[in-house]
Amino acid sequence: DGGITQSPKYLFRKEGQNVTLSCEQNLNHDAMYWYRQDPGQGLRLIYYSQIVNDFQKGDIAEGYSVSREKKESFPLTVTSAQKNPTAFYLCASRGGTGEDTGELFFGEGSRLTVL
Amino acid sequence: GQQLNQSPQSMFIQEGEDVSMNCTSSSIFNTWLWYKQDPGEGPVLLIALYKAGELTSNGRLTAQFGITRKDSFLNISASIPSDVGIYFCAGRPSGTYKYIFGTGTRLKVLA
Repeated sequence: DGGITQSPKYLFRKEGQNVTLSCEQNLNHDAMYWYRQDPGQGLRLIYYSQIVNDFQKGDIAEGYSVSREKKESFPLTVTSAQKNPTAFYLCASRGGTGEDTGELFFGEGSRLTVL
Repeated sequence: GQQLNQSPQSMFIQEGEDVSMNCTSSSIFNTWLWYKQDPGEGPVLLIALYKAGELTSNGRLTAQFGITRKDSFLNISASIPSDVGIYFCAGRPSGTYKYIFGTGTRLKVLA
């Protein structure tokens, strides 16, 4: 089935440790996104990538890093510099081409808890 | 970062009633998307809108792209218990590929 796969679904981390969240898509989409969601809140953009080997910071990029070496993969690393990393992380990819199209499709999310 | 103003924040309704919610922005958007999210899961796309004034339906759901390009509306007709969840709007400002999300409308349906 086509879609977006995030792993792991649940992750526990000790303070001071880096952790990498995986996001893989087989939709052949060029663009991919990472969002963070806190309880009772909307989604806030961390990083996004329009094409392989290129990515841009979103609104809350501090303490996070990404890479885009392959079209289907966009891993997110939560570093020890992120002060409050406990959250629900959502990966998405964008379908359509051109300025006036584009639907954002999401994975099932990864819940990170810092102990 | 910029967020959309989404209202209402929450609502309790009786089964069978119609529901309306909306999002507004201070800037012009090229795209409006509406999502439903269940607890612990990723948002699921309900409706996508690309042109000012566009009115699109998906079953009992109808959404509109405001003519000013700064707002959008979602209506749910004849609500049923499985409509319970959080509904988010998302918009893409003109000239960017960033998608900005509203704060969500939490819907509870009383049988």
